[in-house]
Amino acid sequence: GAVVSQHPSWVICKSGTSVKIECRSLDFQATTMFWYRQFPKQSLMLMATSNEGSKATYEQGVEKDKFLINHASLTLSTLTVTSAHPEDSSFYICSARHGLTTQTQYFGPGTRLLVL
Amino acid sequence: QQQVKQSPQSLIVQKGGISIINCAYENTAFDYFPWYQQFPGKGPALLIAIRPDVSEKKEGRFTISFNKSAKQFSLHIMDSQPGDSATYFCAASTPPAGGTSYGKLTFGQGTILTVHP
Repeated sequence: GAVVSQHPSWVICKSGTSVKIECRSLDFQATTMFWYRQFPKQSLMLMATSNEGSKATYEQGVEKDKFLINHASLTLSTLTVTSAHPEDSSFYICSARHGLTTQTQYFGPGTRLLVL
Repeated sequence: QQQVKQSPQSLIVQKGGISIINCAYENTAFDYFPWYQQFPGKGPALLIAIRPDVSEKKEGRFTISFNKSAKQFSLHIMDSQPGDSATYFCAASTPPAGGTSYGKLTFGQGTILTVHP
């Protein structure tokens, strides 16, 4: 149980285009999903917290107009990187939490984004 | 105060040895301390977690030791195997209490573990 998937697993795009990454909880309902960014050999950096049916809460320094997050259902959250630039190239990972009282987060396999 | 400091940055252990990774925190409101294992190009996988009301938790070869007064916790990997070679992250979270910090994990910097055969 507690499986989280991400799609695509990797994507290459041209500078200026937008890229959408999906995060799905496969066997549980995720009231809250989180989006992280990870650079090589570094720790995970939380970008935003997404609650189903409400606006995402972004961490300080994360541009909400550039990283659009939608959590339209209890099993799906999407991250759209708008007008991507080479500096947006990174490993994007989502996690999902089941229920309002649990603190356990289950992570997806990650999406590697390369912007040319 | 939200920081979690993890050490060492890298660790090399012989097969069969014990791997020990340490973490320290400042925020006394943290009440949930998980450890994650991450292989290159993959997402982190939950290994084991502990709450401050116990001093030790063991699951198979993995043990968390928790020292509430020192605000420190550590991961012990017994009988380390080459397949354990990965990056390990400790993390900490505050309890569900509403607000923007609810349930967010604060991660340590990570430890790259290499187990030689």
